[in-house]
Amino acid sequence: RKEVEQDPGPFNVPEGATVAFNCTYSNSASQSFFWYRQDCRKEPKLLMSVYSSGNEDGRFTAQLNRASQYISLLIRDSKLSDSATYLCVVRRYGGSQGNLIFGKGTKLSVKP
Amino acid sequence: SQTIHQWPATLVQPVGSPLSLECTVEGTSNPNLYWYRQAAGRGLQLLFYSVGIGQISSEVPQNLSASRPQDRQFILSSKKLLLSDSGFYLCAWSQWTAYEQYFGPGTRLTVT
Repeated sequence: RKEVEQDPGPFNVPEGATVAFNCTYSNSASQSFFWYRQDCRKEPKLLMSVYSSGNEDGRFTAQLNRASQYISLLIRDSKLSDSATYLCVVRRYGGSQGNLIFGKGTKLSVKP
Repeated sequence: SQTIHQWPATLVQPVGSPLSLECTVEGTSNPNLYWYRQAAGRGLQLLFYSVGIGQISSEVPQNLSASRPQDRQFILSSKKLLLSDSGFYLCAWSQWTAYEQYFGPGTRLTVT
């Protein structure tokens, strides 16, 4: 089983739709979770950290379920500019500073 | 604010040639620095990370090496490139007290 797994998509949604991505991780001792966004042929950019109680940033809501070992990202009122690949990232417990594990990403395409 | 630079943006090199990619960070002191590679259709793979000048940790054995000659400078090198070295090379930094990483614009390397 891969350490971080995501549905690769693509998710094709119309503008204004609500879309949700899930990510599962295999190491139950993992700490620190993040969502990154990567536009085509560009570098990943930090979208938001994921906290145990869940957190919201504008149209974006992140949730963490430690019991089931999954993280979710909800995007409300999708915009054309939300089209990108969304990377789920997990830090291993006790890992060194280098121990972030990146999922392969879920591709989102928002259509007019 | 912090800025991370990478150059060159694109590079085409023949098999067996040497490689030197440079990354510099501005606006912060004593950052943790990272080199990643993203091959086509694959996730980010951590190659090296550094917590200080002259301190390099290697995550994947290969024909690449890294050096950190100055606090905010990180260099990725190879003496002889292989076809399999093609990919998108990303430098990232983080505060030594935090786990969020911030990426540079990347170098797209094609080995022919």
